[in-house]
Amino acid sequence: DVKVTQSSRYLVKRTGEKVFLECVQDMDHENMFWYRQDPGLGLRLIYFSYDVKMKEKGDIPEGYSVSREKKERFSLILESASTNQTSMYLCASNTGSGNTIYFGEGSWLTVV
Amino acid sequence: DQQVKQNSPSLSVQEGRISILNCDYTNSMFDYFLWYKKYPAEGPTFLISISSIKDKNEDGRFTVFLNKSAKHLSLHIVPSQPGDSAVYFCAARFQGAQKLVFGQGTRLTINP
Repeated sequence: DVKVTQSSRYLVKRTGEKVFLECVQDMDHENMFWYRQDPGLGLRLIYFSYDVKMKEKGDIPEGYSVSREKKERFSLILESASTNQTSMYLCASNTGSGNTIYFGEGSWLTVV
Repeated sequence: DQQVKQNSPSLSVQEGRISILNCDYTNSMFDYFLWYKKYPAEGPTFLISISSIKDKNEDGRFTVFLNKSAKHLSLHIVPSQPGDSAVYFCAARFQGAQKLVFGQGTRLTINP
């Protein structure tokens, strides 16, 4: 089974703090993704990466950056957290030729 | 601009009956469609998918129908069970791309 692991399930951070969300997959997938889920808005793509050190902006990249130094690890960075970044963050991965993407369990971030 | 739309935020169905979840899309360049199921505080899990060259795909109690001329797809669950209560997301993929575009989700509640 594909395993996508998000290290932090629940975080509470203060406005202006730098936040790191870490994601690791164990299936040697080329592609990795960060989505956020908000009520009524569904899942929106923040960034994705198709190879080590490669990244592309998704639909809502403002206020976020990413890092992919190793194939199995994809980090989402909030340089200066704001209250409108309070959300559930979902990491996902798939192969270069895959049709389905596989999600981690999600990280609930609250910014106060 | 919401390219994938789920216009019903919620749906309530009696146990044993058929559940029908609907999804509309606007872009004819989508070539692959998926349904994901999500329980609270968990990541979405893949349920069923369909290629744009087909009009129906069935997997046990789950059937997805695709009407390309209407740019509409639907998920049928027969018979509905209490464990089917979850949020269902419709997703679409552009030809040649890996990222998915998601709808807003429909919360399905199965009543005993």
